[in-house]
Amino acid sequence: DGGITQSPKYLFRKEGQNVTLSCEQNLNHDAMYWYRQDPGQGLRLIYYSQIVNDFQKGDIAEGYSVSREKKESFPLTVTSAQKNPTAFYLCASSIEGRKTQYFGPGTRLLVL
Amino acid sequence: AQSVSQHNHHVILSEAASLELGCNYSYGGTVNLFWYVQYPGQHLQLLLKYFSGDPLVKGIKGFEAEFIKSKFSFNLRKPSVQWSDTAEYFCAVLSGSARQLTFGSGTQLTVLP
Repeated sequence: DGGITQSPKYLFRKEGQNVTLSCEQNLNHDAMYWYRQDPGQGLRLIYYSQIVNDFQKGDIAEGYSVSREKKESFPLTVTSAQKNPTAFYLCASSIEGRKTQYFGPGTRLLVL
Repeated sequence: AQSVSQHNHHVILSEAASLELGCNYSYGGTVNLFWYVQYPGQHLQLLLKYFSGDPLVKGIKGFEAEFIKSKFSFNLRKPSVQWSDTAEYFCAVLSGSARQLTFGSGTQLTVLP
């Protein structure tokens, strides 16, 4: 079954802890994206990657880091520097940068 | 920086009513336009998109949208809504040489049976 998977569905973070959200796609898409969704604010871009071993900051990259070592994987780390991490995180991918983006099911991050 | 405005934050309709959700964007050049829908507990799904050509675009589940360049608008319409259309709807714009989508803040549609 082709698609985008994100894990875990729910993630709890303690004060000062780094946590990593997984995103995998088997669509053979070159571009991958991470968005943050907060109520009433739509989706805001955190990071994106057009090709392996390259990624760019989006509008709200502070407190986050990413890697793109493999085409199918684009993990997002929420670092302790992100002071307000509670949100719904969505991963997306597209064939290339200017094409339609397809979204995963999301990970809800909660702070303990 | 480009921006996308969705003026209706929450719309409540009865079944069979007609729907129009507004979307306006700020960029004046070439744009690619999208409407996404997020049903309760489900993935964000593509409803329809406009890249070029006929400005009236038809999407899934009877939805359509019209691109009006002079008004910088891409409003979503459906002639007769159903209870199953209850969801949050997002307009998004990909403009010029940008490689990232800009989303509106979303409109929550509630359809009463």
